[in-house]
Amino acid sequence: GAGVSQSPSNKVTEKGKDVELRCDPISGHTALYWYRQSLGQGLEFLIYFQGNSAPDKSGLPSDRFSAERTGGSVSTLTIQRTQQEDSAVYLCASSPTRNTIYFGEGSWLTVV
Amino acid sequence: SQQGEEDPQALSIQEGENATMNCSYKTSINNLQWYRQNSGRGLVHLILIRSNEREKHSGRLRVTLDTSKKSSSLLITASRAADTASYFCATDAVPNAGNMLTFGGGTRLMVKP
Repeated sequence: GAGVSQSPSNKVTEKGKDVELRCDPISGHTALYWYRQSLGQGLEFLIYFQGNSAPDKSGLPSDRFSAERTGGSVSTLTIQRTQQEDSAVYLCASSPTRNTIYFGEGSWLTVV
Repeated sequence: SQQGEEDPQALSIQEGENATMNCSYKTSINNLQWYRQNSGRGLVHLILIRSNEREKHSGRLRVTLDTSKKSSSLLITASRAADTASYFCATDAVPNAGNMLTFGGGTRLMVKP
């Protein structure tokens, strides 16, 4: 597709389980971002990948969160031992330049 | 902490009225962008204003930037019910090691028909 694709759209998981969220960026975009948005709140930066450089992980809230980007394209955000406070929309975005970034539709995560 | 803070947090107006949203930020920036979000889903880029620009227009949107006050405003003229959404400002701060944009908390706009 032409846009940023995220899966799953919705995920309900039990507390303590691990979850993986996937992001397919726009082809050719070297930069990829993960943001988290809690209900009614702003966007919280999680992690940023740029080409082959080491990712900026400064926004990851705890060591239960990790992300990788394989082959400079698809990215997976993994949350281990999920907690209820992890419930949020996880938004992925990609960018070809320093300017506009393009968002996916997000993955709604609910931890019960 | 967030770089940008929008004001007001929520705004309700009648169709046809103008809507003004403000954004304040803390550090020097390369540019400031406004995004729109419908129903908690993905954000859509609306407009970008560079640090050396003071005003920019796009259709019914008008953005101003005052770097001395570290603030920006987004004006939507002749609002429509379809403009109902959340609006976020995002800053590309200087210095910035990469392309990270920092978002504010957003303004929830409701336009009543």
